[in-house]
Order: sequence, then C-alpha cells, then structure tokens
Amino acid sequence: DVKVTQSSRYLVKRTGEKVFLECVQDMDHENMFWYRQDPGLGLRLIYFSYDVKMKEKGDIPEGYSVSREKKERFSLILESASTNQTSMYLCASSPSVTSGSWYEQYFGPGTRLTVT
Amino acid sequence: GQNIDQPTEMTATEGAIVQINCTYQTSGFNGLFWYQQHAGEAPTFLSYNVLDGLEEKGRFSSFLSRSKGYSYLLLKELQMKDSASYLCAVRDGNYQLIWGAGTKLIIKP
Repeated sequence: DVKVTQSSRYLVKRTGEKVFLECVQDMDHENMFWYRQDPGLGLRLIYFSYDVKMKEKGDIPEGYSVSREKKERFSLILESASTNQTSMYLCASSPSVTSGSWYEQYFGPGTRLTVT
Repeated sequence: GQNIDQPTEMTATEGAIVQINCTYQTSGFNGLFWYQQHAGEAPTFLSYNVLDGLEEKGRFSSFLSRSKGYSYLLLKELQMKDSASYLCAVRDGNYQLIWGAGTKLIIKP
C-alpha cells in the first residue's frame, strides 16, 4: 500500500514564525502536491512538484514556498506565518503519467495548523 | 472561471440508495474523480471517469456525461461507515485538478 506521511497531525504556531511541514511518500512517486482545505471550499493547490528540485505554483502560492531535495520528500514552508494560514494542510503524491494508475492521488493524513 | 458544484450536505437511511450530483464548468476536460473523506482523515480515491457512461465498483457507481458537464456518484446498500464527505474533482485541459467543496453525507439508522 502507498503510504504518505506528514510530520505532524496538529501544530500551533505564533504569527511571524517560520513553519515547516514535511511530507514523505514511500512509493517512488514522481509527483507530489501540497493542498490546503478549508470549510466550504474545495481543496486548493498551493504548490506541486513533478521531479526532484522542480516545483510549480498552484492556485494559492502566496506566503508559501516548497522544497524537494529528495524524491520521497516534499516540504512546505510558511516563511512568516499569519492567522489566515490557519488551515488543514494535505500532502499528496501520484505516479508518473506513464503509470497505469497515473491519475490517482494518494493523500497523507493532514496537518491541522493553527496560527495564533 | 472554472467551477464545480455539488450539494453541501445530504442525509440518507441505512440500507437505502443515495445519488450525489456534481456539475462542472472547466476549460477542457481530462477526467473526473470522486474521493471519499471521513472526518479528520485523508481523502481516498473512489473512481475515475473519462468517457461517458457508468462505472461500477461494488456498492459504488459513478456516471459521467461530458456534454452536460455532469456526474453522479451512486451509493447502494448504505452502511453507517459510508458517512463521510464525498469530493468531486475535474482535471481540466491543462491537467490541473479542480476540486469541489465536497458533499457531507449523513447516514441515519
């Protein structure tokens, strides 16, 4: 089974702090994604990566950055946390388009971040 | 703009059948997905439709009509464990996933 793990289930940070959210997948997937999920809104893509050291902005990249130094690990960084970044953060991975199941995304359990 | 609409909440009875609708307006189309998400948990993949018609997988079926921009997820023989949110997502012409806000399904005994 594909396993996507995230470093924390719950996190409380203060305004202005630098926050690191880590995601690791164990299925050698090329693609990795960071989303945030807020009540009443669909999943919104923050950043994604289709290869090591590659990154692409999603719909809402402002205030975030990412790092992918190894294939299995994709980090989301909040440079200076703000209260409007309080949210559920979900990491996902998917295989390459050449894979039979390229279309399926596998999600981690999520990190509920509260910024006070 | 791109938009996906699905009902916010639905209620059904254990053992019954429920249909969750999803309508979409996107720039191009490269497939429609349904995911299930239990409260406090990660979304899990249910189905993928890229051609018109019905895809059946056990108690769950998903239907797509590309000309109408419409899909539904049909859940039969409802069980209490089916209480969850059901997320509809469309891959647009640029292969980006656009997500609906989800439908919270409440199953009553």
